[in-house]
Amino acid sequence: SQQGEEDPQALSIQEGENATMNCSYKTSINNLQWYRQNSGRGLVHLILIRSNEREKHSGRLRVTLDTSKKSSSLLITASRAADTASYFCATRRGKLIFGQGTELSVKP
Amino acid sequence: DTEVTQTPKHLVMGMTNKKSLKCEQHMGHRAMYWYKQKAKKPPELMFVYSYEKLSINESVPSRFSPECPNSSLLNLHLHALQPEDSALYLCASSQDPVSSYNEQFFGPGTRLTVL
Repeated sequence: SQQGEEDPQALSIQEGENATMNCSYKTSINNLQWYRQNSGRGLVHLILIRSNEREKHSGRLRVTLDTSKKSSSLLITASRAADTASYFCATRRGKLIFGQGTELSVKP
Repeated sequence: DTEVTQTPKHLVMGMTNKKSLKCEQHMGHRAMYWYKQKAKKPPELMFVYSYEKLSINESVPSRFSPECPNSSLLNLHLHALQPEDSALYLCASSQDPVSSYNEQFFGPGTRLTVL
């Protein structure tokens, strides 16, 4: 069973624009992670936010977490063509459970 | 070395073949994982090895047989697969099998096609 649901499923933007992806989950968590996957490749860990944190930054990435709404968002600022990838949120309940993912396309 | 390597990158096999996928990490991680990923879907956990012992088997058919010869290596033995088993098989590792705060490091995957 999938813990996370993400929206949008697909997002297409121009280089330089910001991209926002949302993740909702069903049960209580102690942290939420975001991963990126380039087409047909392995996943790369981007950022982990703990349940007692509301916002976290890493370079051009900004992640928010609202435990009352059971939701998180990933914002990529000043997007680049190289950001084109699928983005997954993941929560851990014994095992890591991934959301359905958002496919981001950044056009140069 | 912060890399997880997987071989082969691509594998085509018939339904009667026996093949193996290999995964290696030299980060001293004590948890290793096999995931299966179909196109445009998230990875789905298959097996977890914790301190070289199988700790989670997500009700995977017995035609998939994992093996952890040592703390750096993880194999997935394949036998009598079905065409629906065609997928990207991802290996991952993490430092601590117990902590939920560990990130997982993924290999590039093996693209498996079963004819």
